[in-house]
Amino acid sequence: GESVGLHLPTLSVQEGDNSIINCAYSNSASDYFIWYKQESGKGPQFIIDIRSNMDKRQGQRVTVLLNKTVKHLSLQIAATQPGDSAVYFCAENWGRGSTLGRLYFGRGTQLTVWP
Amino acid sequence: DAGVIQSPRHEVTEMGQEVTLRCKPISGHNSLFWYRQTMMRGLELLIYFNNNVPIDDSGMPEDRFSAKMPNASFSTLKIQPSEPRDSAVYFCASSLSEDYGYTFGSGTRLTVV
Repeated sequence: GESVGLHLPTLSVQEGDNSIINCAYSNSASDYFIWYKQESGKGPQFIIDIRSNMDKRQGQRVTVLLNKTVKHLSLQIAATQPGDSAVYFCAENWGRGSTLGRLYFGRGTQLTVWP
Repeated sequence: DAGVIQSPRHEVTEMGQEVTLRCKPISGHNSLFWYRQTMMRGLELLIYFNNNVPIDDSGMPEDRFSAKMPNASFSTLKIQPSEPRDSAVYFCASSLSEDYGYTFGSGTRLTVV
C-alpha cells in the first residue's frame, strides 16, 4: 500500500481565501515529491514538484513547502478559486536505486471551494 | 503533444469476459505505469515498465491480470476472466525518467456486472 498519508481528508474554503493541504510521508530517503490535482472524471494532473535539496518552491498561485525534519509536505493555494475544487494527492519518490522512479501516492484530500 | 492516450474511456462487461485496456504513452517517455483507482483503496500501482521491460508487477492482484508493452508506444492491460470486484478506473501514466513526475491519461472506467 501507499506510504504517504494525509492529515485531512476534506477541506472546505471560501473563494478568495488561501488553502493549505498537508501531507505526511514516511520514507526519510525520499528525494522527490509531487502534488497532483484530480478533477472529477479526469486523471491526476501535475501541479508542482520539489526535490529534497529545497525547502520551498513556488509556482503560479501555488507553493509547496517541504520539512524534512518532520517528513511533512504542504501545498498552499493562494486566492482559491472554484476551479481549484478537486482531490489533491501528494506523491513521493523513494530515491534513485530503489524502485526506479516509482511514485507512492497518498490517499488524497478533497478541496471544495465555496463561492 | 496529445498526452497519454487511453482506450476505451468506458467499458462495461459481464463477469467472466476478457477485458483489454490500451495505452499510448507520450512519445519519448521511457517509463509506463498502470494504476487502478477505487474509493476504498485510492491509487494502486499495478505494474510499471521501463524501456518496455516490466520492472515491478507486485501490484498485479492475481493471475487474472496481465500487462504487456510490445514497443515504446503501446501497452495493454488484460483481465481474464473479469470479476465485479475489478470494477474501477484504470489509469496509465508515463514519465521521461525517474527524475520526473508522471503524466496520466484520462483513464478507463471499467464496470463488470
